[in-house]
Amino acid sequence: DSGVTQTPKHLITATGQRVTLRCSPRSGDLSVYWYQQSLDQGLQFLIQYYNGEERAKGNILERFSAQQFPDLHSELNLSSLELGDSALYFCASSRQANYGYTFGSGTRLTVV
Amino acid sequence: LAKTTQPISMDSYEGQEVNITCSHNNIATNDYITWYQQFPSQGPRFIIQGYKTKVTNEVASLFIPADRKSSTLSLPRVSLSDTAVYYCLVGDTFEAGSYQLTFGKGTKLSVIP
Repeated sequence: DSGVTQTPKHLITATGQRVTLRCSPRSGDLSVYWYQQSLDQGLQFLIQYYNGEERAKGNILERFSAQQFPDLHSELNLSSLELGDSALYFCASSRQANYGYTFGSGTRLTVV
Repeated sequence: LAKTTQPISMDSYEGQEVNITCSHNNIATNDYITWYQQFPSQGPRFIIQGYKTKVTNEVASLFIPADRKSSTLSLPRVSLSDTAVYYCLVGDTFEAGSYQLTFGKGTKLSVIP
């Protein structure tokens, strides 16, 4: 157990739908990062939050959004889902920059 | 962020030492070098991090030459369970809260019995 909790572990939904992925960072970690991993794209950085504020944006689609709440958990919202959004979505957290990231076990999203 | 280049794949027999080299010619003064391991359908796992010379922990060693333009991850006596993808990353760790890692394709290590 890495200490980073992601729910749900698996999600199957239809095209056009909206889903919410949840991440609880390790205790004490202020930064939360979201990554998408599909077979042909590798790990793609989506977005980072630090203590409730957005800090960095990567290749995140406009249909996707995220937020970090006062208790530091984060949610990634994916809307108008397409088949190509099927992927593993990972959340990671960090406390101090030189300690690297700790990743969760991911949410596998399947859009049918 | 500095770009890294590492072999796409490597094969090794069980019990051998494996060295995976990563080049990062444009590494900046403040950048650290970090290696992650990823098993299929699992999140990447931090292996080791270093700035210069040599770092060793219970899992691996990291060798960084003086010019820091490359680094080598050394896995002693690999077993079948070391079959995974290994990522080399460089990133600025001095600015707390604004720390972004960019993953490349990684090196797929296959350990053969």
